[in-house]
Formats: sequence, structure tokens, C-alpha cells
Amino acid sequence: AQTVTQSQPEMSVQEAETVTLSCTYDTSENNYYLFWYKQPPSRQMILVIRQEAYKQQNATENRFSVNFQKAAKSFSLKISDSQLGDTAMYFCAFMHLSYMKTSYDKVIFGPGTSLSVIP
Amino acid sequence: DAGVTQSPTHLIKTRGQHVTLRCSPISGHKSVSWYQQVLGQGPQFIFQYYEKEERGRGNFPDRFSARQFPNYSSELNVNALLLGDSALYLCASSLGYPDTQYFGPGTRLTVL
Repeated sequence: AQTVTQSQPEMSVQEAETVTLSCTYDTSENNYYLFWYKQPPSRQMILVIRQEAYKQQNATENRFSVNFQKAAKSFSLKISDSQLGDTAMYFCAFMHLSYMKTSYDKVIFGPGTSLSVIP
Repeated sequence: DAGVTQSPTHLIKTRGQHVTLRCSPISGHKSVSWYQQVLGQGPQFIFQYYEKEERGRGNFPDRFSARQFPNYSSELNVNALLLGDSALYLCASSLGYPDTQYFGPGTRLTVL
């Protein structure tokens, strides 16, 4: 069974600084997606970034980038130039990719890291 | 384009009642998934529907059921509500499967 672990329940960062959120996962599968989702107090779950396991290049979306270490099963998120609007719960998530007729998409979430950006 | 929409935003029920939650996917998306998020935890998978058929089911009792309509919208039904069913219920849509899921704002269910 796949599991996702986030070892930092809470973190804080000064506005305009850089912060890195950690995530590790466990799977025996070779074909999967990894995600970081953001859930602000408004509770809308927002996709921040996606990484395909077959890609060696780390994904980047503006101020957000990941460090994907497949062999170590590590997937950290770096937020540069932190902004007040980045304050939220951040969830690392895993989804196995299967094209079999009997398969289905099940996103497995970690417990989350609460990030506070301090003015 | 409109994102995933869910209704109602929140509701309060008493133990033993049933509830129906609704979800409209992003236009063009044919798959809808449901998740339960208990306070302080990550979401847990309940169902995935694709082209009106159930594709997968998580570890939830038979009191939980769902369906998908020809316009790809979906309903989640929960019967015989328990206090432990109090949670945020999230709907997510995707173009097909396997594919990235985009979430709606959720329905906050409180069971008294």
C-alpha cells in the first residue's frame, strides 16, 4: 500500500523569504504522479504543482518548485519569495497511474503541513 | 471557465438522517471523485465515477453511495448519519483517468 508522510506539522517563514516543505512516500509502483495541493482557510483545495515520476526534470510553477528524488522517494516543495497569500495547509499527494480497465484514480494525501507567512 | 462547484456550502443534520451532496465538474471533465476530509487530516478517497459508472471505492461503509448523471454531475448520499460523518466533503473532477484531479470548495457537514 502507498503511504505519504509529511514530517513537519507546522512551519513559518518571513515574507519574501524561501521555505522548503518535506514529503516522503512509499510505493512499489513505477508509474505515478506526485502533487502538492494548497488548502487555505477558505478550504478550497488548490493544485500547486505536479510531477510525473518518469520525468527526471523537477517541475516548476512560478515561485514554486520541487526537488524530486525518485530513488529516495522524496518530494519536497520550495516556495521562493513567500507571500502572505501563501499561508495555508500544504498537502503532498500521490496517485498511481494505471491504464487498466479495472483501475481507478485514488489520490493518497499526507497529513499536511501548516505554513504561516509572517509579515 | 468555471471550476468544480459543490452544493450546499454547509449543512447541519442530526444522527440517523440522510444527506445528499451535489457536485458539478469542470466543463468537459467526465470523471468525478469524492473525498472525506476530517478536521486536521488529509482527504480520504470515497468514490470515483467515470462515464456514469463507478470505477473505484474506498474503505467506506455501504451507507455511502454515489451516482453520476448524463451531464457528468454527481451526487454523494450518506444514510443513517453518525457523529463521525462530520467532515468536509470534497468533490474533484478530471478529464478522464488516469489524470490530475481538480477540487471543488467542499461541503461542510456537521452531524449533531
